[in-house]
Amino acid sequence: DTGVSQDPRHKITKRGQNVTFRCDPISEHNRLYWYRQTLGQGPEFLTYFQNEAQLEKSRLLSDRFSAERPKGSFSTLEIQRTEQGDSAMYLCASSKPSQGNTEAFFGQGTRLTVV
Amino acid sequence: DAKTTQPNSMESNEEEPVHLPCNHSTISGTDYIHWYRQLPSQGPEYVIHGLTSNVNNRMASLAIAEDRKSSTLILHRATLRDAAVYYCILTRSGAGSYQLTFGKGTKLSVIP
Repeated sequence: DTGVSQDPRHKITKRGQNVTFRCDPISEHNRLYWYRQTLGQGPEFLTYFQNEAQLEKSRLLSDRFSAERPKGSFSTLEIQRTEQGDSAMYLCASSKPSQGNTEAFFGQGTRLTVV
Repeated sequence: DAKTTQPNSMESNEEEPVHLPCNHSTISGTDYIHWYRQLPSQGPEYVIHGLTSNVNNRMASLAIAEDRKSSTLILHRATLRDAAVYYCILTRSGAGSYQLTFGKGTKLSVIP
């Protein structure tokens, strides 16, 4: 399967712990996005990479959230000192380089539960 | 960002056509209209997009009003697998990041 892969699919953590999620995009896609989705809502954009450069991070929810894409391939999203309000589905998407608009391919997400 | 308005929910009988409406009265000339859908426990899935002309693909058709202030996603024969939340999203051409602003979408139920 050559789709977007996210790991783990589920994560349960205690409040105050740090968590890290991984996303492997489709191999020829240079753009990678992270979204968060809470129950009953549509996904909410968090951050975006073009190759290894993080070009948009103002939507990250707080300074506890950070993302990296060190070699322009896979990406990680880290949440430090987790809070119960961080419980959500974290989605990764990737897309091809394009002058105009193109479709984004989403992974199945990582469901985080903070207890 | 220009906003879209969709009904919260719709129902359709299996094997009948479904017309999912979307209003986007503040759309600008460079905004594309995208549709994604999200099946239960899945990530969103691209359905179709267009700018001015109607578009067809293997999944659906997109009908865009002449003034572009509204559009309709058409599923020609609904199947049980089409039960999902459908999102109508505007993206700006040349915006670079192609970040998607999702609303709450329309939850489509398909009745056997």
